[in-house]
Amino acid sequence: EPEVTQTPSHQVTQMGQEVILRCVPISNHLYFYWYRQILGQKVEFLVSFYNNEISEKSEIFDDQFSVERPDGSNFTLKIRSTKLEDSAMYFCATSGQGGTEAFFGQGTRLTVV
Amino acid sequence: ILNVEQSPQSLHVQEGDSTNFTCSFPSSNFYALHWYRWETAKSPEALFVMTLNGDEKKKGRISATLNTKEGYSYLYIKGSQPEDSATYLCASFYSNYQLIWGAGTKLIIKP
Repeated sequence: EPEVTQTPSHQVTQMGQEVILRCVPISNHLYFYWYRQILGQKVEFLVSFYNNEISEKSEIFDDQFSVERPDGSNFTLKIRSTKLEDSAMYFCATSGQGGTEAFFGQGTRLTVV
Repeated sequence: ILNVEQSPQSLHVQEGDSTNFTCSFPSSNFYALHWYRWETAKSPEALFVMTLNGDEKKKGRISATLNTKEGYSYLYIKGSQPEDSATYLCASFYSNYQLIWGAGTKLIIKP
């Protein structure tokens, strides 16, 4: 069964450092999403990406965040100058055309110390 | 701005009771409605994708209905079990390729 792969599974970083979270989508999928879940809180939508550009982003997704597909396969979330409150589980999801279901990766647990 | 609303935000249900919750979405340019079940520290699991007005889908004790004209979907759980405890997310897909997510309903089943 096709799956979405995220790396790393766990990242510990110092406050103020930059992190890049990587996602390998299912090969024929065209829509990509990032979500996060702070421990004990709700799932939060961050951004959706289609045709090499952001199609929607939430209020959380400010200038600290950016996304790209640098090599046409990996879909990355970059967090510049991390803050303690960025500690969360970050999930990538991808979907094909026609409103088909989104498939989620296993997540990256980001811990900012 | 497209907005998908889920209610209630959280729900405590006694084991064995049935329950339901709502997803409301803008119906203009609607294409499909997705329901997901998300347990803490796991990946969300797709439950249903529905496209047609009046669609009803069922998976075990969980079922969902769709009304595209008024823009809502209900998710029903019959005879709740502790393993049903999770956050249930809905997402609405539009013809302009946007997939808009609700904030989820957190379901807690009390033994």
